Amino acid sequence: GEDVEQSLFLSVREGDSSVINCTYTDSSSTYLYWYKQEPGAGLQLLTYIFSNMDMKQDQRLTVLLNKKDKHLSLRIADTQTGDSAIYFCAETLSGGYQKVTFGTGTKLQVIP
Amino acid sequence: GAGVSQSPRYKVTKRGQDVALRCDPISGHVSLYWYRQALGQGPEFLTYFNYEAQQDKSGLPNDRFSAERPEGSISTLTIQRTEQRDSAMYRCASSPGGNTEAFFGQGTRLTVV
Repeated sequence: GEDVEQSLFLSVREGDSSVINCTYTDSSSTYLYWYKQEPGAGLQLLTYIFSNMDMKQDQRLTVLLNKKDKHLSLRIADTQTGDSAIYFCAETLSGGYQKVTFGTGTKLQVIP
Repeated sequence: GAGVSQSPRYKVTKRGQDVALRCDPISGHVSLYWYRQALGQGPEFLTYFNYEAQQDKSGLPNDRFSAERPEGSISTLTIQRTEQRDSAMYRCASSPGGNTEAFFGQGTRLTVV
């Protein structure tokens, strides 16, 4: 079965880099995602990576995928107070639709 | 509409009552998904529609839960004889189709007392 695990909490100072880690168990994953959830808001897709890629960079965000270890990370450079939110790692298998398995979420607290 | 719209935003119901949660997807989106998110957890897949056809309902916890999308647009998730354990945030998402980005609504917070 699928299982996605994340640490629950991360605290960083404004301006530092944040690294949020995730492990997953299903080697059949085809897409891996990072979602951001702010209070009272819906889930926002931040970025995603195909399973045949090792890295993806998008402005302040860098996603690293170690498929051998089934480890995914999200690095946020120059973390801002507006980055404070819960970040969910998620995976989906092939099948052509978004039956997504989410992790439990990492709460990022940015200290001014 | 501009985004996925869910109603009501908050629903408090007594145990044993039926509830219907509504999702209005982004116009033209083919695929519609329902997820449930318990407090402190990530969303959990419930069911998925392609147009009006329910393609996957493997995540529905039991037969008290049902969903429909009769005209391939608005969807309703119905929970019969609600129980306290049904209390959660129910999230709807829609996508243009295929394995493309799904856009989530703000959710309906259901509390069963």
